[in-house]
Amino acid sequence: QVQLVQSGAEVKKPGASVKVSCKASGYAFDSYDINWVRQATGQGPEWMGWMNPNNGKTEYAQKFQGRITMTRSTSISTAYLDLSSLRSEDTAVYYCARGVYGSKSYAVFDSWGQGTLVTVSS
Amino acid sequence: DIVMTQSPDSLAVSLGERATINCKSSQSVLYSSNNKNNLAWYQQKPGQPPKLLIYWASTRYSGVPDRFSGSGSGTHFTLTISSLQAEDVAVYYCQQYYTAATFGQGTKVEIK
Repeated sequence: QVQLVQSGAEVKKPGASVKVSCKASGYAFDSYDINWVRQATGQGPEWMGWMNPNNGKTEYAQKFQGRITMTRSTSISTAYLDLSSLRSEDTAVYYCARGVYGSKSYAVFDSWGQGTLVTVSS
Repeated sequence: DIVMTQSPDSLAVSLGERATINCKSSQSVLYSSNNKNNLAWYQQKPGQPPKLLIYWASTRYSGVPDRFSGSGSGTHFTLTISSLQAEDVAVYYCQQYYTAATFGQGTKVEIK
């Protein structure tokens, strides 16, 4: 079965960077885009961007341009999210999600990781 | 960005009764090339990631009970739970995937 397993919770100071990993199993890793979605407590989900694991192509939401990087290691079927210049508003649960059924570059998310809580606090 | 607005913010429904959630997009999410509405619905329970229920506005995802149905086109969409079960207590989100991806603010469904 499709599974996405993420790295553990992080606590960071303002201005620092965080790197979250997402290991895929149960399907061909390079056949589906990996998206990253975050969710602050009590808020709706917020899409951050997608990455094509086959060629490394990415597209980021405009809000995060300049401080977000998505990468992958195909040999270990793992995707990574790097977010820099962290501020308190970045405190949220970060999810990776597999993208399916899109018309253009965007998709719905049929499988999700368990989530990684990133806390930004001085 | 396309803004998604759900209504109501919360609703309480008796077991076995119908629950209806509305979602409005700030611009059409109908993709003319394939005549499909790029609109999905998710269910989220506390401490869990969202779970995909409906895509293309009305196509039920694999394994989703048939009491869940989606309808609508263009900018106005509806998720209907025909006969509410205890396990349906959750927050429901709509999502457009026409341009980037944006979610509604959520609708909390409870038992009356």
